[in-house]
Amino acid sequence: GENVEQHPSTLSVQEGDSAVIKCTYSDSASNYFPWYKQELGKGPQLIIDIRSNVGEKKDQRIAVTLNKTAKHFSLHITETQPEDSAVYFCAARATSGGSYIPTFGRGTSLIVHP
Amino acid sequence: DAGVTQSPTHLIKTRGQHVTLRCSPISGHKSVSWYQQVLGQGPQFIFQYYEKEERGRGNFPDRFSARQFPNYSSELNVNALLLGDSALYLCASSLPLAAYEQYFGPGTRLTVT
Repeated sequence: GENVEQHPSTLSVQEGDSAVIKCTYSDSASNYFPWYKQELGKGPQLIIDIRSNVGEKKDQRIAVTLNKTAKHFSLHITETQPEDSAVYFCAARATSGGSYIPTFGRGTSLIVHP
Repeated sequence: DAGVTQSPTHLIKTRGQHVTLRCSPISGHKSVSWYQQVLGQGPQFIFQYYEKEERGRGNFPDRFSARQFPNYSSELNVNALLLGDSALYLCASSLPLAAYEQYFGPGTRLTVT
């Protein structure tokens, strides 16, 4: 089955700095890679995703890059703000072959200091 | 439109008891998945249902069961509760089974004492 590793487990930055979270996956059949933000007491919220046919995707201050050869993908947050503080999860899954079940990383706790 | 809703929000049960958790998907979504999230970890897949049929099952014991109703809402049942079942139980919905995006509900916090 798929195995997703996520690093770091905790990331502390100053407001305005950039933050990078990295994930690796094992199953070459995975072709969809979402990122979720989970605030305390809430369910995960999809913030950005990338499909295997592109290498990078941006949405305002958030970007995700994908290297299918190396089986790794990263989340980049620029100009961090205190409200970015949350736990971020990466996930990987296939979209064909009958299994649409995502495998999640263990999460990264991002702390943005004002 | 309303998002995914789950009930109850919080639940406290005793070891050996049974629990039923409920989920209503986003209107128009036909696929529902259940996840268990233990503190400090990512969500772990339990079940996936599409058009009232089970389409996937994670590595959980037979004490866990689920079903989906004609209106696409879903129930997760856990029998003979153990202390280790204490977790946040998340429901996620999506359009067709192969749809990329899953949308999560706020979860049900289950505490087993």
